[in-house]
Amino acid sequence: GAVVSQHPSRVICKSGTSVKIECRSLDFQATTMFWYRQFPKKSLMLMATSNEGSKATYEQGVEKDKFLINHASLTLSTLTVTSAHPEDSSFYICSARSIHTGDTQYFGPGTRLTVL
Amino acid sequence: RKEVEQDPGPFNVPEGATVAFNCTYSNSASQSFFWYRQDCRKEPKLLMSVYSSGNEDGRFTAQLNRASQYISLLIRDSKLSDSATYLCVVNRAGSYQLTFGKGTKLSVIP
Repeated sequence: GAVVSQHPSRVICKSGTSVKIECRSLDFQATTMFWYRQFPKKSLMLMATSNEGSKATYEQGVEKDKFLINHASLTLSTLTVTSAHPEDSSFYICSARSIHTGDTQYFGPGTRLTVL
Repeated sequence: RKEVEQDPGPFNVPEGATVAFNCTYSNSASQSFFWYRQDCRKEPKLLMSVYSSGNEDGRFTAQLNRASQYISLLIRDSKLSDSATYLCVVNRAGSYQLTFGKGTKLSVIP
């Protein structure tokens, strides 16, 4: 159990375009979803925390107008990278938890974004 | 002091060896502790939670020392498939948010 999917797994886009990444919890209802970013040889960095039906909470230094997060249902959260630039190229990973999983988060397979 | 600190390695060990990883965390109010493993270009996967009394799962043993704010992971009888980066993970006190260490890279050599 506790399966999280992400789509797309990989995206290459031109500078200035917007990219939407979907995160779904397939077999449980995720009350909270998290979005992380990982640059090469670096640790996962939390970008934002998203509770279903409410606005996301962003970490310091993460622009909320650039990284739009929507968590409209208990099984789906989306991250939209608006006007992407090459420095946004990274590995974006979501995770999800519920009251049944406690503190444990289950991670999606990640989305590798390359902005040309 | 970093929130979660790990020796980055790499640890290169022969098959069958025992290897230990250490981790320290800065926030004494943290309550939940985990070890995740991450394979190259993949997402982290939960290896095990770490409990105050210490816990074991097959070849893996985790220990927590709250007084020293120190977590360890011991892997016995290393397999080639254990090669990965091991991430020490601690929750932020009072929240479900997790803080990740940079990870310790393990290579098990035939």
